Amino acid sequence: EIVLTQSPGTLSLSPGERATLSCRASQSLPSNFLAWYQQRPGQAPRLLIYGASSRATGIPDRFVGSGSGTDFTLTINRLEPEDFAVYYCQGYGDSPRYTFGQGTKLEFK
Amino acid sequence: QVQLQESGPGLIKPSGTLSLTCAVSGGSISSFRWWSWVRQPPGKGLEWIGEVFQGGDVNYNPSLGSRLTLSVDRSKNQFSLILTSVTAADTAMYYCAKHMTVSGTRGFDSWGQGTLVTVSS
Repeated sequence: EIVLTQSPGTLSLSPGERATLSCRASQSLPSNFLAWYQQRPGQAPRLLIYGASSRATGIPDRFVGSGSGTDFTLTINRLEPEDFAVYYCQGYGDSPRYTFGQGTKLEFK
Repeated sequence: QVQLQESGPGLIKPSGTLSLTCAVSGGSISSFRWWSWVRQPPGKGLEWIGEVFQGGDVNYNPSLGSRLTLSVDRSKNQFSLILTSVTAADTAMYYCAKHMTVSGTRGFDSWGQGTLVTVSS
């Protein structure tokens, strides 16, 4: 089973700042098997990044995914008020096929 | 754009059976390959439940063991979840999701709004 560990648990920042979210896998993960999601309160998750670095349709270019192997990063440049939400990374493996990190909450400072 | 809508009872008694359906609109379920269910207990993170292929093949999260059955009804353009012997630990928001079709990648690019299921007597 691939275990994904996200850090930090909570990140307190202000609009206009840069957020750096980490996702560490328990074993090496092909980059095309790593995705990031945003979940706003009361809403379903939304795909932001797939293949570790490709933005999903309609996602602003201030969202940047990077990384390989066991270490992946989601960077959000120039934070907007609507970016304050919970972010999850997701990996694909053998069993279970999909696992999620525990999430990083991005909150207003 | 494909849209998903979950439906099912909001309250189930312990030891009962949970049945949920995900209706697909804006496209044929047969035009895409895999469909998943994901759940989220109140205030907690996301847990992948399982996936079903448009042709009927399935993969389940081992944590749910033999309690889970997923299926597809192409004539109704929907897929379903059945979870037996439920307990309070199965209380969660249940989401259905469509797998993306970009070759070689993995991710869920469309989600339903979710349906809250509470297990309580």
